[in-house]
Amino acid sequence: ELKVEQNPLFLSMQEGKNYTIYCNYSTTSDRLYWYRQDPGKSLESLFVLLSNGAVKQEGRLMASLDTKARLSTLHITAAVHDLSATYFCAVDAGSGTYKYIFGTGTRLKVLA
Amino acid sequence: DADVTQTPRNRITKTGKRIMLECSQTKGHDRMYWYRQDPGLGLQLIYYSFDVKDINKGEISDGYSVSRQAQAKFSLSLESAIPNQTALYFCAIYRVETQYFGPGTRLLVL
Repeated sequence: ELKVEQNPLFLSMQEGKNYTIYCNYSTTSDRLYWYRQDPGKSLESLFVLLSNGAVKQEGRLMASLDTKARLSTLHITAAVHDLSATYFCAVDAGSGTYKYIFGTGTRLKVLA
Repeated sequence: DADVTQTPRNRITKTGKRIMLECSQTKGHDRMYWYRQDPGLGLQLIYYSFDVKDINKGEISDGYSVSRQAQAKFSLSLESAIPNQTALYFCAIYRVETQYFGPGTRLLVL
C-alpha cells in the first residue's frame, strides 16, 4: 500500500529565507504532483513531475523528483508572505490505477 | 477551476439522513474523483470513475456511494450520515496531466 509522508508538517519562516519541504513515498512511482491550498479554498496545481530527475520552477518555488530515492522536494527561495499556504504532494499509485495518494500537507507561514 | 462545479457549497444535516453532493464538469473529461479532507489532514480518496460504467472504490469508501449519471456528472451520496463524516469534500477531474479541483462542499453532520 502506497504511503506518502511530508515533512515538516508546519513551517514558520521569515521573509527572505530559503527552505525545503520533503515528500517521501513508499512504493515505486514516477509521477508526482504538488498542489497549493489557501485557507478555506480549493487546491491549485503547482507542479507535475513525470520522470526521475524532473525539475520544475515557478517564481520562488522549485520542485524536483528522485524516483530512486522515492523523494520529491519543494524548495522555497527568498520566501515572501504571499507564499503562506498549505502545500500538498500527491503520488500516482501506478500500475494503471490512475489514483493518487496525498501527503498530509505542510502548512507554511511566512512572517514579515 | 471553473471547469468543475460542486453543489451545495455548504450543507448541515442530521445523523441518519441520506444526502447527495453533486459535481459537474463542463468539458466531458473521463476521469472524475471524490476526496474528503479533514481539518489539518490531506485528502483521502473516496471513489473515482473513468466513465459512466467504470467506478472504483478509493481508500475510504465505506458509508459512501456514487453515481456517474453522465460523463459530466459524478454524485456522492452518504447513505446514513454520521458525525464523523463532517468534512470538506472535493470533486476533481483529471486533464493535462494533473487534477483540477472543484470549490468544495463543507458538510456538517449533527
